[in-house]
Amino acid sequence: QVQLEESGGGVVQPGRSLRLSCVASGFSLSRYGMHWVRQAPGKGLEWVALSWYDGSNRQYADSVKGRFTISRDNPMNTLYLQMNSLRAEDTAVYYCAREYSDYESEGFFDYWGQGTLVTVPS
Amino acid sequence: EIVLTQSPGTLSLSPGERATLSCRASQSVSSTYLAWYQQKRGQAPRLLIYGAVKRATGIPDRFSGSGSGTDFTLTISRLEPEDFAVYYCQQYGTSPLFGQGTKLE
Repeated sequence: QVQLEESGGGVVQPGRSLRLSCVASGFSLSRYGMHWVRQAPGKGLEWVALSWYDGSNRQYADSVKGRFTISRDNPMNTLYLQMNSLRAEDTAVYYCAREYSDYESEGFFDYWGQGTLVTVPS
Repeated sequence: EIVLTQSPGTLSLSPGERATLSCRASQSVSSTYLAWYQQKRGQAPRLLIYGAVKRATGIPDRFSGSGSGTDFTLTISRLEPEDFAVYYCQQYGTSPLFGQGTKLE
């Protein structure tokens, strides 16, 4: 069965870096586009980044562009989010999510991990 | 830049009643790329509807989506106790974008 498990969250000081991981099981990561979506405490959902199934295309929200990098290791079935120059407003639960269709980028997500909390004190 | 506005912000209903949730886009969006999610407290979102009208796998038929252009609706025909949650619409144009959510209580 399809599972996504995030890790790597924690408390990090402003300006520092953190790398999140998302291990996929039950499917081949190399067939699917993958996203990171975040949710600040008590707030709504905010899309963060997209990696196409083969890693050839990456897109970012304006709020993280130039600071965050999405990458993947398809043989290891693992997605990453490298977060640099962290700010208080980056505090959120970060979810990895799978594209609905394989080899497509339709931009909606059928499987989500349980999320990992990143806290950047102000 | 497209903005998705969901209404109402909070909807107070009882089990057995019908719920109608609205999602309005600031400019026309393709129905192909309009989705709805349900999120319960402490849980990840769950895909309910995609392509504006198609139910995702395992979603009960009391959930239905409709609409086109700038106005989309999620309808829950008869509320079950487990349906009380926050609902988000989402579109995918140049990048995925979520509405601010409707809390169904």
